[in-house]
Amino acid sequence: SQELEQSPQSLIVQEGKNLTINCTSSKTLYGLYWYKQKYGEGLIFLMMLQKGGEEKSHEKITAKLDEKKQQSSLHITASQPSHAGIYLCGADYTGTASKLTFGTGTRLQVTL
Amino acid sequence: EAQVTQNPRYLITVTGKKLTVTCSQNMNHEYMSWYRQDPGLGLRQIYYSMNVEVTDKGDVPEGYKVSRKEKRNFPLILESPSPNQTSLYFCASSQSGDNEQFFGPGTRLTVL
Repeated sequence: SQELEQSPQSLIVQEGKNLTINCTSSKTLYGLYWYKQKYGEGLIFLMMLQKGGEEKSHEKITAKLDEKKQQSSLHITASQPSHAGIYLCGADYTGTASKLTFGTGTRLQVTL
Repeated sequence: EAQVTQNPRYLITVTGKKLTVTCSQNMNHEYMSWYRQDPGLGLRQIYYSMNVEVTDKGDVPEGYKVSRKEKRNFPLILESPSPNQTSLYFCASSQSGDNEQFFGPGTRLTVL
């Protein structure tokens, strides 16, 4: 089984709706990174979480890391078409972030 | 502008014909990595480098070589490409071991 699992694999939401993407690790994380990818393009850094219970927000996107540092959620409030893309979580298991283990991604579509 | 550049962006080649994908960063970062992205498998690390002349294998190094002769450059070499190396390749760099990884725009490689 995968060390890092993302759910759901895909999501279609109506513009204006809220949504949550989850990332669950089979072991404790040193850090958890969230990236967004437009289809076939590079990754855009969203947020990095390192402390248990940490929560960060940027515009309408909020990410949390649970106390045990094994699960993270990414919440988008009032979704917009510009939020569409693939969201990837990346786990740092080494403490150096020289290697990230990625989930398989969540494909988000936002309909009008 | 701080960035990671990759060349070429698209490449179609034939089995066995040696090729090099270049990666360059202008942020004086110590860490650089190569990943490949495949449907259903997510991003997997191929090789990484912690500094000049220091490289190490990632999760899927077979069939690839790298070198780090200068801090800014980290080329990926496929000595004898095979069809199973058809993929989307990303180069990434970071300042130290625990910071955001900046990703390049990707190189889409097709091996016939």
